[in-house]
Amino acid sequence: SQQGEEDPQALSIQEGENATMNCSYKTSINNLQWYRQNSGRGLVHLILIRSNEREKHSGRLRVTLDTSKKSSSLLITASRAADTASYFCATDAKEGKLTFGTGTRLAVRP
Amino acid sequence: DAGVTQSPTHLIKTRGQQVTLRCSPKSGHDTVSWYQQALGQGPQFIFQYYEEEERQRGNFPDRFSGHQFPNYSSELNVNALLLGDSALYLCASSLLGQSYTFGSGTRLTVV
Repeated sequence: SQQGEEDPQALSIQEGENATMNCSYKTSINNLQWYRQNSGRGLVHLILIRSNEREKHSGRLRVTLDTSKKSSSLLITASRAADTASYFCATDAKEGKLTFGTGTRLAVRP
Repeated sequence: DAGVTQSPTHLIKTRGQQVTLRCSPKSGHDTVSWYQQALGQGPQFIFQYYEEEERQRGNFPDRFSGHQFPNYSSELNVNALLLGDSALYLCASSLLGQSYTFGSGTRLTVV
């Protein structure tokens, strides 16, 4: 079963705009991770945020985590056409088992 | 430094047949996990291997089995294939407790 739900399911923006994706989950976690997937191929790890962290940055990515609301958000700033992909959040509640959400399909128009 | 390598990349099998998928982990990684991703869905955890033993298992039937070899590579076996087993199968490797590196997957089609 899916742990989390991403919102929105699909997002279309213009190049240069910011994209925000949200993820909700159900159980307590050790950490939450975001992944990108291009065209149904392998997953690329973007960022990991631990349960005792509230915000983390990596390049154009900003992730927040609110454990009281069991939610996280991924912000991609100054989007590029190459950011077009599906984005998944995954929670690690029990060491080694990632539980993924349903994903957000992001389309960045040139 | 090679990442996670999966083979084959695509395969077509007939319902009722058996299939074996292979995974070579990233150099230095000792833990291998397998995921099934149906079209339009997020990946679902099948199982994880560490020190040649199944360490955790997801909600998959016994038709799904695996193995890890002394060199940390791994196989996923699926018996008595069903149409619903058609999916992208992803292998991920890590050092136990660290972040994961995923392979590009094997696309299995059952006809």
